[in-house]
Amino acid sequence: DAGITQSPRHKVTETGTPVTLRCHQTENHRYMYWYRQDPGHGLRLIHYSYGVKDTDKGEVSDGYSVSRSKTEDFLLTLESATSSQTSVYFCAISLQGEAQGYTFGSGTRLTVV
Amino acid sequence: AQSVTQLDSQVPVFEEAPVELRCNYSSSVSVYLFWYVQYPNQGLQLLLKYLSGSTLVKGINGFEAEFNKSQTSFHLRKPSVHISDTAEYFCAALPGGGYQKVTFGTGTKLQVIP
Repeated sequence: DAGITQSPRHKVTETGTPVTLRCHQTENHRYMYWYRQDPGHGLRLIHYSYGVKDTDKGEVSDGYSVSRSKTEDFLLTLESATSSQTSVYFCAISLQGEAQGYTFGSGTRLTVV
Repeated sequence: AQSVTQLDSQVPVFEEAPVELRCNYSSSVSVYLFWYVQYPNQGLQLLLKYLSGSTLVKGINGFEAEFNKSQTSFHLRKPSVHISDTAEYFCAALPGGGYQKVTFGTGTKLQVIP
């Protein structure tokens, strides 16, 4: 398996608290992505990064921010968690971009109560 | 914007029977197409992809898919399924031309019945 690790694997948090999810890769891939997976919606892109300090918004970025200070780490922050952000979050990496296809992490299941 | 439709949310099939999972995408001048598989409590894994060339694409685990431009479809097939194929399958599309992002379908759960 590609070296991509998400942490934590599970988290329960209260509404209004900040939450940070971490994606760590050992593949030195340039491209990294955060998706959320919800029943009936498939996967939706939250934010993506084409390199260190080069990030941009996806289709469902409201309420989320990201940072990438090192090639290997891509952090997703929920500034003030809401129940609508209860979801499974996946990080994905790609060496050459979207057309190559992605390698996904194992996911973080986040519950906001 | 690109859209991807997986018409069947669940497909039950008996072991060793053939299966076809359907995927249609919205028309685009050029498009790249993908199938991913997700086993329970795991991330998605790339099964196969179509970028150009032969319309019949072979992937891992005995799966194949056929790109049909006139019908804007990219159906996934396997001639004989195994219990281990029980998983959720996602079709995805990426319009060509740059500055586009991948759109995923809503998934099809394949249940292989012993």
